[in-house]
Amino acid sequence: NAGVTQTPKFRVLKTGQSMTLLCAQDMNHEYMYWYRQDPGMGLRLIHYSVGEGTTAKGEVPDGYNVSRLKKQNFLLGLESAAPSQTSVYFCASSYSGGRSSYNEQFFGPGTRLTVL
Amino acid sequence: AQSVAQPEDQVNVAEGNPLTVKCTYSVSGNPYLFWYVQYPNRGLQFLLKYITGDNLVKGSYGFEAEFNKSQTSFHLKKPSALVSDSALYFCAVREDPLFGNEKLTFGTGTRLTIIP
Repeated sequence: NAGVTQTPKFRVLKTGQSMTLLCAQDMNHEYMYWYRQDPGMGLRLIHYSVGEGTTAKGEVPDGYNVSRLKKQNFLLGLESAAPSQTSVYFCASSYSGGRSSYNEQFFGPGTRLTVL
Repeated sequence: AQSVAQPEDQVNVAEGNPLTVKCTYSVSGNPYLFWYVQYPNRGLQFLLKYITGDNLVKGSYGFEAEFNKSQTSFHLKKPSALVSDSALYFCAVREDPLFGNEKLTFGTGTRLTIIP
């Protein structure tokens, strides 16, 4: 049981390049999330998904796109990278037990992205 | 809108002493509250949560947290600190799922350093 995995672990991009970050989970979780972590700002939600084929915007969605074609995978894309997108990106997933309960999120190890 | 405040960026505690990491929140309706810990170069790990019930919640690694509705606080505590507790701690909140909000809001984090 690998939990939540992220690839790649590190990446350096030049301004204007594109890339896709892959998140995979093997816990059959319905919900998946992409966050970015910046010093002094905690974690900020970029996009999230409450099920296969559905996505929604979070707090800081501009410059990013996502797709959830399979339940176990959640992809984060940067179409034209900018230095402001230099950050550590975390994927998370959770099980939803219904509207009257809430379960904790499980996090991946992170992807450190530098945009030059 | 929901929000979380962690008023201390850094907390230093001598090994063996009790520790407290502070958190206050703002949400509509009943809060769902969480504490996570992040060790260097790792993703966040779940420590404990308050959904309903007893105001004192016990979690992993000997940590506990006290929910105080009147003070809108959810402080993390441990009776006797260990050097291995040194890490970055995040408080998080979400609204009651009945409001339809699927998102967690994180605080900016508190760096806890246990001094041998």
